[in-house]
Amino acid sequence: GAVVSQHPSRVICKSGTSVKIECRSLDFQATTMFWYRQFPKQSLMLMATSNEGSKATYEQGVEKDKFLINHASLTLSTLTVTSAHPEDSSFYICSAYGGGSKGSYEQYFGPGTRLTVT
Amino acid sequence: KQEVTQIPAALSVPEGENLVLNCSFTDSAIYNLQWFRQDPGKGLTSLLLIQSSQREQTSGRLNASLDKSSGRSTLYIAASQPGDSATYLCALNPNSGYALNFGKGTSLLVTP
Repeated sequence: GAVVSQHPSRVICKSGTSVKIECRSLDFQATTMFWYRQFPKQSLMLMATSNEGSKATYEQGVEKDKFLINHASLTLSTLTVTSAHPEDSSFYICSAYGGGSKGSYEQYFGPGTRLTVT
Repeated sequence: KQEVTQIPAALSVPEGENLVLNCSFTDSAIYNLQWFRQDPGKGLTSLLLIQSSQREQTSGRLNASLDKSSGRSTLYIAASQPGDSATYLCALNPNSGYALNFGKGTSLLVTP
C-alpha cells in the first residue's frame, strides 16, 4: 500500500501557542487529504477536507480560524492549531486519497499526532 | 447523514476462540467499507476493504462480509490470539474521494 507520514508523532505545547502538524504522501500524489480528530475512547471525527491548491472545507462546528489547513502541494498538507488550549488535546490523524494514482482509490492514513496542551 | 454502529463496544474472549464483530449502517448507498485495527495510542492499520459490489474479503484469519441490503458488515476472526487485542473500527466510504464515516469501534481483549 501507499505510505503517508505525519510529523511530529507527539507534541506537547503550552496553552496559547500554535502547533503545526505535517501530513505527507510519500510515494503518490494526493489530490485530497482529510484531517480527523480522535478523543480518548471515541471514534475518528472528520475535521476538514483539503484539496490541493484550494481552500479547505471544514465540518460543522470546526473553527477554520483556529485549525488552519494548507494543502500547497500534491504531497503535503499541514494543520496548524492556533492559540491552542487544553481542550484541543487530542489525537490528530490525516489521510490521503490518490484518486487513481499509485494510491488507488483507497484512502491511506498517517500514523497520527498526539497533541497535549498544558 | 450516515450512522455507523458497532456492537459490542467491548469484548473479552479466551485465546483460540472464533469471534464476530458487527457493524451496521443506515445508508446502503456506499462506495466501499473498510475494517481497521487500532492499537492503543497508535494510528490505523487497514485490515480489509470491501467494494460495494463485493460480498466478502478474506485475509489470513480474517474474513469480512458486506450485506448492503440489510446495512450490515461483520468481521470474523478465527482462532483468536492475544496479539489480536486492539480496537477494531468499521468505516464507510460514501463515494470515491470522500471522507470515511467511522463507527466507535469494538475493543477486543484476547486473554491467554
